[in-house]
Amino acid sequence: AQRVTQPEKLLSVFKGAPVELKCNYSYSGSPELFWYVQYSRQRLQLLLRHISRESIKGFTADLNKGETSFHLKKPFAQEEDSAMYYCALLIQGAQKLVFGQGTRLTINP
Amino acid sequence: ETGVTQSPTHLIKTRGQQVTLRCSSQSGHNTVSWYQQALGQGPQFIFQYYREEENGRGNFPPRFSGLQFPNYSSELNVNALELDDSALYLCASKPPGSSYNEQFFGPGTRLTVL
Repeated sequence: AQRVTQPEKLLSVFKGAPVELKCNYSYSGSPELFWYVQYSRQRLQLLLRHISRESIKGFTADLNKGETSFHLKKPFAQEEDSAMYYCALLIQGAQKLVFGQGTRLTINP
Repeated sequence: ETGVTQSPTHLIKTRGQQVTLRCSSQSGHNTVSWYQQALGQGPQFIFQYYREEENGRGNFPPRFSGLQFPNYSSELNVNALELDDSALYLCASKPPGSSYNEQFFGPGTRLTVL
């Protein structure tokens, strides 16, 4: 089965603290994973994808095939990071994205 | 802000009715995908259109159908509306030959079925 699981619906941390949003996937093919973010009153937008191995807004995510995980991390949270975060898996061939349920991240001042 | 627009912003229908939602993609984006996002859930893939033909479909019944037009606009049609169809409907487009890091989402249409 093709599935993306984000175990935390809500996550609250203080400004300056490290952040980790968890994402686990189930997929028999070669995974291509993404993190999308939705800020308040804005549309869904791509944050980063594992292939590019980049850091965007201080966030990084490493694909761990052994643990089938793609956790999103940031060493020092900022108030503007408060948003809804979705992990997504690309199903090759079917050309569709499978999204997790999302995690609402709140950064407290 | 991206050039993907959707209309209407929100609408209310009653069970059994039919609805058409519209999406206008950025110029040159010949691939469009539609997603349903129920409250508290992540987006769920409905189908994708490429060059005016459906080329991928999720687990949605045939009463969900679509059209894509040469001017990069597209429609999502839902017949015989059910209460569970209440959701935010998103469209996303990307240019030819691109990967999904170049897919842009619209703001969505919120459908309420009473």
